[in-house]
Amino acid sequence: KAGVTQTPRYLIKTRGQQVTLSCSPISGHRSVSWYQQTPGQGLQFLFEYFSETQRNKGNFPGRFSGRQFSNSRSEMNVSTLELGDSALYLCASTSGHNEQFFGPGTRLTVL
Amino acid sequence: EDKVVQSPLSLVVHEGDTVTLNCSYEVTNFRSLLWYKQEKKAPTFLFMLTSSGIEKKSGRLSSILDKKELFSILNITATQTGDSAVYLCAVEANSGNTPLVFGKGTRLSVIA
Repeated sequence: KAGVTQTPRYLIKTRGQQVTLSCSPISGHRSVSWYQQTPGQGLQFLFEYFSETQRNKGNFPGRFSGRQFSNSRSEMNVSTLELGDSALYLCASTSGHNEQFFGPGTRLTVL
Repeated sequence: EDKVVQSPLSLVVHEGDTVTLNCSYEVTNFRSLLWYKQEKKAPTFLFMLTSSGIEKKSGRLSSILDKKELFSILNITATQTGDSAVYLCAVEANSGNTPLVFGKGTRLSVIA
């Protein structure tokens, strides 16, 4: 079974730009969660999607948004990038037994 | 606010040593506690604990949960250099907006 895939793996943007990250969950998993990981804050929850609906949302500004498609693939978008948005963005898909499997992450650098 | 605190923040040991990593939590409507190992890439799942006092074991790693005192420990015996990683503890709650609340991790370095 293929694992969680995320694209792109690395991204460099400048302040003010916007970015879209993609995540494909493990086949059969319908829940996808997004996390931001920084050295100072650790892993912080962004949002969770299940069957194309946002089920939970963390404490991030409205510049962070996401969606999920009918094939369970998910995208997250960050608009008006700030330097502090530089982080590793991790996507996780959740099995029916509530185990989360993480993708390799997208490392975003904002210059 | 739900909170997970891990200690120590970092640890350096020699190969063959035994280490104990700690995770304490405060959450409303606790459902489970999870341990992950993160090397250079994404966290990989180690254990899920839901019941107090039942040890989960996988090779040299073991973990146990105390729901009364609200903490868990992760033990690694006979450490190897390949155990060097950040170990993350996360708690899942039945309520609130956040499915998983993570601690900041313990960075373990095992030196030969």
